Amino acid sequence: KAGVTQTPRYLIKTRGQQVTLSCSPISGHRSVSWYQQTPGQGLQFLFEYFSETQRNKGNFPGRFSGRQFSNSRSEMNVSTLELGDSALYLCASSGGTATDTQYFGPGTRLTVL
Amino acid sequence: DAKTTQPPSMDCAEGRAANLPCNHSTISGNEYVYWYRQIHSQGPQYIIHGLKNNETNEMASLIITEDRKSSTLILPHATLRDTAVYYCIVRYLTGNQFYFGTGTSLTVIP
Repeated sequence: KAGVTQTPRYLIKTRGQQVTLSCSPISGHRSVSWYQQTPGQGLQFLFEYFSETQRNKGNFPGRFSGRQFSNSRSEMNVSTLELGDSALYLCASSGGTATDTQYFGPGTRLTVL
Repeated sequence: DAKTTQPPSMDCAEGRAANLPCNHSTISGNEYVYWYRQIHSQGPQYIIHGLKNNETNEMASLIITEDRKSSTLILPHATLRDTAVYYCIVRYLTGNQFYFGTGTSLTVIP
């Protein structure tokens, strides 16, 4: 099976802009979770989508949003970018139950100037 | 919040076993212990997970103490490619999310 893919791999934006990142899960997986990784805060959970519905949400401001399509592909959007949003954004897919293993994609490196 | 404690860094000689400890003293009865590793800015790679019994796969072994308050990940014959940050995670059953701690930076020395 193909692994989790994320596009784009690298992105440079300026403050105030918005950005959309895409994640394609492993075939058959219905859950997609998003994480933010920064040197200061480490890996932090953003939110999880399952069957096109947000099922869990981390402690991030409303500027961070996401959605999931019927084919389980997911997008996350960050509006009004701030310098502190510079990070590696990772998505992980799984079958969706509490015991299913999550498999991570390679990440999208976002730089905000 | 992360429910695990790991040493920040460890060294291991190439070819020797690497033993990475993790403390999870507040783990609940049905919560699993997962191990992932991350090689410089790549996505975390799944290694192994377990509930109560020791587990082994082609990558590693996981030893969980009887009281489940700690565990050890064993890489039997470390290679230079095993140099990475290793995360021990207790997975909450109430949600499908992982709470990552700070991990252990393992350096395999030639």
